[in-house]
Amino acid sequence: EPEVTQTPSHQVTQMGQEVILRCVPISNHLYFYWYRQILGQKVEFLVSFYNNEISEKSEIFDDQFSVERPDGSNFTLKIRSTKLEDSAMYFCASSESSTATYEQYFGPGTRLTVT
Amino acid sequence: GQSLEQPSEVTAVEGAIVQINCTYQTSGFYGLSWYQQHDGGAPTFLSYNALDGLEETGRFSSFLSRSDSYGYLLLQELQMKDSASYFCAVRDSGAGSYQLTFGKGTKLSVIP
Repeated sequence: EPEVTQTPSHQVTQMGQEVILRCVPISNHLYFYWYRQILGQKVEFLVSFYNNEISEKSEIFDDQFSVERPDGSNFTLKIRSTKLEDSAMYFCASSESSTATYEQYFGPGTRLTVT
Repeated sequence: GQSLEQPSEVTAVEGAIVQINCTYQTSGFYGLSWYQQHDGGAPTFLSYNALDGLEETGRFSSFLSRSDSYGYLLLQELQMKDSASYFCAVRDSGAGSYQLTFGKGTKLSVIP
C-alpha cells in the first residue's frame, strides 16, 4: 500500500539554525500539507500546497517557514532560524484530489528538537 | 475561526461500545472527519461525514448532525488495540481551502 514517507525521523538542532524536513507524498496525490503537533497537544495546520504553490497557510506559518517541491517527488519544509518553541512533531500529509481532501494520508512524522 | 470540542479522555472495557462526541463551531463547514492516532504514531483516517446520518465502516461508525453542529464516532466490540487518541477534524468550505482543523483529541483507554 502506498504511503507518505518522511526524513529524518528525529532532528536535533540548535536555536537559530536552519532545518529542512523532507517528505515524499503518495505518488498520484496532488495536494500536500504540513502539520505540527506539540507533545500532548492537537495537530495544527501549517500550510497546504497545490500546483506548485501555497494554497493557504496558518498564522503559525510565518516568514521563518517555507515549502518547496524541488522535484516530482519531494516536498520540503524549511525553518530558517529555529526557535525553542518550534520543537514539535512535524507531519507531512497528502490527498488525492480536491474532493477528497477530507481524507489525508499522514507520514510518520519528524520529531524536531530545538535546544 | 474554527473550534471543536471533544472529551479529553474516555475509558471503556474490552468488548464494549464507546461513543466519542464532537461539537464544532465553524465559519464554514464542508464535512467532519475522524482520525486515530496511536502514541508516537501518525494520524490515520477513519471516516468522513459530509451529510447528516450514520456512516459505517466495520466496527467503526460515524454520525453527523449539521443542524446541531455535532457528530460522534462509535466504536463497537472494543479491542485493546483501539487504545489511542481520536481526533475529529473539520474541513472548511471556503474556496481553495483544503486544510483540516483538528480537535484536541480524545484519549481512549480500553481495559480488560
